[in-house]
Amino acid sequence: SAVISQKPSRDICQRGTSLTIQCQVDSQVTMMFWYRQQPGQSLTLIATANQGSEATYESGFVIDKFPISRPNLTFSTLTVSNMSPEDSSIYLCSVSSGGASGANVLTFGAGSRLTVL
Amino acid sequence: GQNIDQPTEMTATEGAIVQINCTYQTSGFNGLFWYQQHAGEAPTFLSYNVLDGLEEKGRFSSFLSRSKGYSYLLLKELQMKDSASYLCAVTAPSNTGKLIFGQGTTLQVKP
Repeated sequence: SAVISQKPSRDICQRGTSLTIQCQVDSQVTMMFWYRQQPGQSLTLIATANQGSEATYESGFVIDKFPISRPNLTFSTLTVSNMSPEDSSIYLCSVSSGGASGANVLTFGAGSRLTVL
Repeated sequence: GQNIDQPTEMTATEGAIVQINCTYQTSGFNGLFWYQQHAGEAPTFLSYNVLDGLEEKGRFSSFLSRSKGYSYLLLKELQMKDSASYLCAVTAPSNTGKLIFGQGTTLQVKP
């Protein structure tokens, strides 16, 4: 399966600032996703990062708040803009790859833990 | 839309067997996944079911009934290291590769 490097692994941010999270994959992948995991919660899909076109956002998430770049098949960034304490969360990059059973198995990066003061 | 339900917490004893249930409602079904997530770590893939029946993989097995919208993850010979959250997820109806996750079940294994 793909190996994903995500950075920063953690950061403490001030209210009103923005932070960009980077996701690097060791192989070319078509499908790349950004998830959020709030404290004690499960994973919520933010958007699908599409190579060469705008990201596709899920209900409740907008491009102005979470701009995403996908310049090539191995790299993506997620920016959390104008942060508030409610944005304190773990942000995870994931990629889809075929498994032995034919399933599109998601592999996750280690996550970026953001704390907004 | 999708709706996925799992128990929030479970406790079991080392060496025992535990079954974690998951019920789902989805407008289009293309498979169900189970992931394991240890505290502070990323989720890791455990199993995938797309057809009815039981899939066995070592100490872990996963069952699916599509007609009932039901799955379970069975963990045998529990070990302390199995203490983790177990996430049930279904593929989105558009089958674009993205997964929709349930809230997860936190399993605590006690000696």
